[in-house]
Amino acid sequence: DVKVTQSSRYLVKRTGEKVFLECVQDMDHENMFWYRQDPGLGLRLIYFSYDVKMKEKGDIPEGYSVSREKKERFSLILESASTNQTSMYLCASTAGWGNEQFFGPGTRLTVL
Amino acid sequence: AQSVTQLGSHVSVSEGALVLLRCNYSSSVPPYLFWYVQYPNQGLQLLLKYTSAATLVKGINGFEAEFKKSETSFHLTKPSAHMSDAAEYFCAVTLAGGYQKVTFGIGTKLQVIP
Repeated sequence: DVKVTQSSRYLVKRTGEKVFLECVQDMDHENMFWYRQDPGLGLRLIYFSYDVKMKEKGDIPEGYSVSREKKERFSLILESASTNQTSMYLCASTAGWGNEQFFGPGTRLTVL
Repeated sequence: AQSVTQLGSHVSVSEGALVLLRCNYSSSVPPYLFWYVQYPNQGLQLLLKYTSAATLVKGINGFEAEFKKSETSFHLTKPSAHMSDAAEYFCAVTLAGGYQKVTFGIGTKLQVIP
């Protein structure tokens, strides 16, 4: 059974903290994505990666960075968390462009 | 560039009634279209996808969608709603070819009334 796992389901952090969200997929997919999901806004793409050490900005990259040192792992980093980054974060992977995306269960991040 | 519009952020239907969730897309080239479902406290999972083969696409759980180029639509239907269909549904579009990101709609929450 294919799987995308995320390191935490719920996370509470303080303003200014550095936050790491980890995502691991076991399907040997080249492409991985980070989205944030907010009510009324749907899913918005933060960053994506199409190969190890390769990354591209999505629609809302400000305040975020990413790291992909290994094919199966894609990390989202909030350098200095702010309250407006309180959201649900979803990781996804896909075998190729135009194919189905497989999603993790999400991390609900609250920044106080 | 591509975009997708989902009409109706909330839809309520009675159990056993027809489910119709609307999606219209915009793209400069032929698109690939998807419907995903999200159950509470879970990630998204694929219901069905259109990739330029048959215009009527059948998915899981009795759902289907029809690609209508003239109307730029890809509406999701199910003949008879079940309580377990209560979830949030997302329409998504991408373009054929490499390095094409997926654009999601804002989602439609389906409520099924017993």
